[in-house]
Amino acid sequence: GAGVSQTPSNKVTEKGKYVELRCDPISGHTALYWYRQSLGQGPEFLIYFQGTGAADDSGLPNDRFFAVRPEGSVSTLKIQRTERGDSAVYLCASSLLAGTDTQYFGPGTRLTVL
Amino acid sequence: RKEVEQDPGPFNVPEGATVAFNCTYSNSASQSFFWYRQDCRKEPKLLMSVYSSGNEDGRFTAQLNRASQYISLLIRDSKLSDSATYLCVVNMNRDDKIIFGKGTRLHILP
Repeated sequence: GAGVSQTPSNKVTEKGKYVELRCDPISGHTALYWYRQSLGQGPEFLIYFQGTGAADDSGLPNDRFFAVRPEGSVSTLKIQRTERGDSAVYLCASSLLAGTDTQYFGPGTRLTVL
Repeated sequence: RKEVEQDPGPFNVPEGATVAFNCTYSNSASQSFFWYRQDCRKEPKLLMSVYSSGNEDGRFTAQLNRASQYISLLIRDSKLSDSATYLCVVNMNRDDKIIFGKGTRLHILP
């Protein structure tokens, strides 16, 4: 079956611009996670959804970051007024249930802010 | 103490050798533990879950030590294809928050 997909695979933007990153989870998976990974680091938790609601958004670094999952499936991570420090690979993962279940990762979106 | 800590390595190990690395976690209430593997410029993929009784999958053995709050991964008869970064993952049991370690880099040498 189809895995987790993310679009775009690469995004280059200028400082101050707005970007949206999309994640399509595995069909039927109720939990969806966003992570950010910088070179040489492990994935850093940003936010996770259980269904349509954000169950934990404590990892969002500041109010420039926002994520939605309006129908409990596709999710969009939105970054306003991008900064060079936002450059990273943004990973999305989904799992059938939250917490104890295996997470399946998408290939990530590589964001570069110039 | 960091929530999840791993030795970043790299571990340079000759092919065929046995290698082991640990991961410590800070929250004693943590319930779920996993090892993920990540190849260069690829997404993480589950290697194995870690159960209280320990578990083995072929050449790989994972163990949990609750008293000392660490999990371990043992790889026997290492192959060149085992070269990767191994990520320790812990469910902190606070709203099911998942925390990844920074990973341990493993290089298997021919």
